[in-house]
Amino acid sequence: GDSVTQMEGPVTLSEEAFLTINCTYTATGYPSLFWYVQYPGEGLQLLLKATKADDKGSNKGFEATYRKETTSFHLEKGSVQVSDSAVYFCALIIQGAQKLVFGQGTRLTINP
Amino acid sequence: ETGVTQTPRHLVMGMTNKKSLKCEQHLGHNAMYWYKQSAKKPLELMFVYNFKEQTENNSVPSRFSPECPNSSHLFLHLHTLQPEDSALYLCASSQEVDAHEQFFGPGTRLTVL
Repeated sequence: GDSVTQMEGPVTLSEEAFLTINCTYTATGYPSLFWYVQYPGEGLQLLLKATKADDKGSNKGFEATYRKETTSFHLEKGSVQVSDSAVYFCALIIQGAQKLVFGQGTRLTINP
Repeated sequence: ETGVTQTPRHLVMGMTNKKSLKCEQHLGHNAMYWYKQSAKKPLELMFVYNFKEQTENNSVPSRFSPECPNSSHLFLHLHTLQPEDSALYLCASSQEVDAHEQFFGPGTRLTVL
């Protein structure tokens, strides 16, 4: 079946550090890939997405590239801020399907 | 603000109580979803509604009963729950069921005693 695997958390970094959160997937069809973010006390918000191989999604300084050859969609940011502290979810949806498949989430804490 | 609201934000109930969770979307979307978010587990899709019709029930126990009176409102009726049902219940909507982006509400934090 379709699944998403994220790196284990929690992840703790200092402000201005470089961030990578790994995400790999298995899919029976041709997926679109997403990163969602959940700030404390809130629901999930779409952070970025990519719909085909080699696409790069970007938003708020975050980037992720759809790598079909390695079935990966790693999230990166060059310089994190305290306000980036949240839980990050990698997800996929197969074209034509109605079900988002989520990873288990990675909690990120940024210290000043 | 994502355009999806949920009430109540917090709910504590006993195992013999009956309660309902409400979700409303102001986005003109046609599809609505219920998810369960438990600690240390991936988000679990519970139900999908498309144009008020249920199109997916992800093997959810019958003590959870959804209702979708129109495309803007979605309810989750709860009765005789178990302590392991304690979780954050998230509602989401999308333009269509296979749309690329779902918009989430803030969730209802449910505690079953």
